[in-house]
This record gives sequence, C-alpha cells and structure tokens, in this order.
Amino acid sequence: DQQVKQNSPSLSVQEGRISILNCDYTNSMFDYFLWYKKYPAEGPTFLISISSIKDKNEDGRFTVFLNKSAKHLSLHIVPSQPGDSAVYFCAARGNSGYSTLTFGKGTMLLVSP
Amino acid sequence: DTGVSQNPRHKITKRGQNVTFRCDPISEHNRLYWYRQTLGQGPEFLTYFQNEAQLEKSRLLSDRFSAERPKGSFSTLEIQRTEQGDSAMYLCASRPQGETQYFGPGTRLLVL
Repeated sequence: DQQVKQNSPSLSVQEGRISILNCDYTNSMFDYFLWYKKYPAEGPTFLISISSIKDKNEDGRFTVFLNKSAKHLSLHIVPSQPGDSAVYFCAARGNSGYSTLTFGKGTMLLVSP
Repeated sequence: DTGVSQNPRHKITKRGQNVTFRCDPISEHNRLYWYRQTLGQGPEFLTYFQNEAQLEKSRLLSDRFSAERPKGSFSTLEIQRTEQGDSAMYLCASRPQGETQYFGPGTRLLVL
C-alpha cells in the first residue's frame, strides 16, 4: 500500500504564477518530510524539508506547508520559472532511527514561458 | 565535485549475469542508503549502512542482492543472476548527522 501519495501525476503552470504540489500520507509515525526535485537521468536533488512540529517552512521561492491533522503537505513555488520544470517527489521519514525515506510516485511540473 | 558519485552510470547486461555497482558518498557522511527506482515510481528503499555496518534491509532486497561497505567509505551493490525485473535506476544517498539525504546520479540498469 502506498503510504505517501502524490495524486497528481502532472501539473502545468505558466511562468510567474504559483505552482502547488500536493502530497498525502497515511502513516502517523512519519515525523519529517522532504521534497526532492529530479531532472531526467539525474538523481533527486533536495529542495526543502519540514519537521512534524512545524506547519510551515520557507526557503526563497519555495514554501512547504504541513497539516498534520489532515496528513497532508504541499509545496508552493512562487514565482514559477521554466527551470523549475522537473519531477517533484514528496518523501517522509519514519522514526525507526535509521531515517529511511518513503517516497511518493512524483508529480511532473511543467512551467511554460 | 564533492557530491555523491556512482559508477557506472549505465549498465546493460544479459539475463543471468552478475552486475556490481559502486557508490562513493560525500566524504564526511557516515550514513549510506541504496534505493531502487522503476518507471513511474518513486525511489524505494533497499538497504542502509552506518559506517561499515549494514543496519537495515528492505524485503525488496532478495537473496540475489548483496551490499557491502567494507571500510565505511564507498559501498557496492551486487545483483547475482539478474532478471528482467531488476531493470531500474539504482540510487545511492548519503547523510550526515542531519536529516537530509543527498543522492547520487544513479546507475541505470537494463537487463535484456
């Protein structure tokens, strides 16, 4: 069963507008969440993260929001740029002590000029 | 470049052959992870090392798979008697004391 779900396989946004990528999780033991960006033929690149004790974390154009009661997080990119076009993965860390990550299937973001 | 490196970047092999991949983590990171990514899926955890000790293995890691990190630095992942279902991107990540894992570029395996 998919413990981390990204229900939108793709998202298209115009340059300058806001991109909102969503992620839902089912395991209440997850306590840390990360977003990675992946270009074709490259490994995932870390973007931003959030601890379960917070509800928002911001880094430049990227903001992650966490709603623990709804088991939902979202990544906002403002303003979106064509170079943001990539696959975005949501990942969650359990509290087993080894920090292994459980990933969603990803959302492909296309930002058009 | 001081990031995570993986070799080879691409590997094509025939079913039944053995393959070995190498990962060189960021030098000060003592934690190392292997993941596998298939088409349309996110990366899936395979195994975890802290220094040279293999501390966790996923049920995805069948007995045909073995991973080592002999001196707590680089790691190897070997697949014996490869099957077509082993075709995937194999990703290595390393982590310092913090929570963020840093990924290498991956090794893309194609089993014919």
